Amino acid sequence: DAGVIQSPRHEVTEMGQEVTLRCKPISGHNSLFWYRQTMMRGLELLIYFNNNVPIDDSGMPEDRFSAKMPNASFSTLKIQPSEPRDSAVYFCASSLHRGDTGANVLTFGAGSRLTVL
Amino acid sequence: TQLLEQSPQFLSIQEGENLTVYCNSSSVFSSLQWYRQEPGEGPVLLVTVVTGGEVKKLKRLTFQFGDARKDSSLHITAAQPGDTGLYLCAGAGGYGNKLVFGAGTILRVKS
Repeated sequence: DAGVIQSPRHEVTEMGQEVTLRCKPISGHNSLFWYRQTMMRGLELLIYFNNNVPIDDSGMPEDRFSAKMPNASFSTLKIQPSEPRDSAVYFCASSLHRGDTGANVLTFGAGSRLTVL
Repeated sequence: TQLLEQSPQFLSIQEGENLTVYCNSSSVFSSLQWYRQEPGEGPVLLVTVVTGGEVKKLKRLTFQFGDARKDSSLHITAAQPGDTGLYLCAGAGGYGNKLVFGAGTILRVKS
């Protein structure tokens, strides 16, 4: 398996532009997570999906952020309009969650580094 | 909100030295994980601890979960330059699907 695949790896855009980040989870995994990492705030959970359904989006900063998972093999995180404070590395991670109290092991993608000028 | 505090934030040591990184919370976790992240990459899982008081060893790394399942430590013996990276602890509550990460400890091992 190629692991969790994210694109683009790097994006530089201007304030006000729409940004779409993409993620292909590991085949067979049933949970998908979007995290944002900055020096100031560390790794923050934005939203996660179980079986393609959004379960917890309490970490999404504001309405400018939206995430979708139309099928088990694809997810997008969209920022519209983008602002300089959105600059960060965005990680997608997937896991196979068994639905019990067992630990959930995340496999992360390499991240998408976003710079908003 | 479950919060995890890691200490120290930054550690710079010489090759061969020992070190301990701490992860503390006021919340109880059903499990706790340690990840290591290198520049330009995503975090990679090192270990998962589930039982209070559990100790796991991974070569020169020793991980311990507190008896009350609120804290954990990572001890590295005879650190090597290859150990350099960002070490993150992550806790899961309830049914374990949602992981909350600490801010991380940046470790630099000089040769």
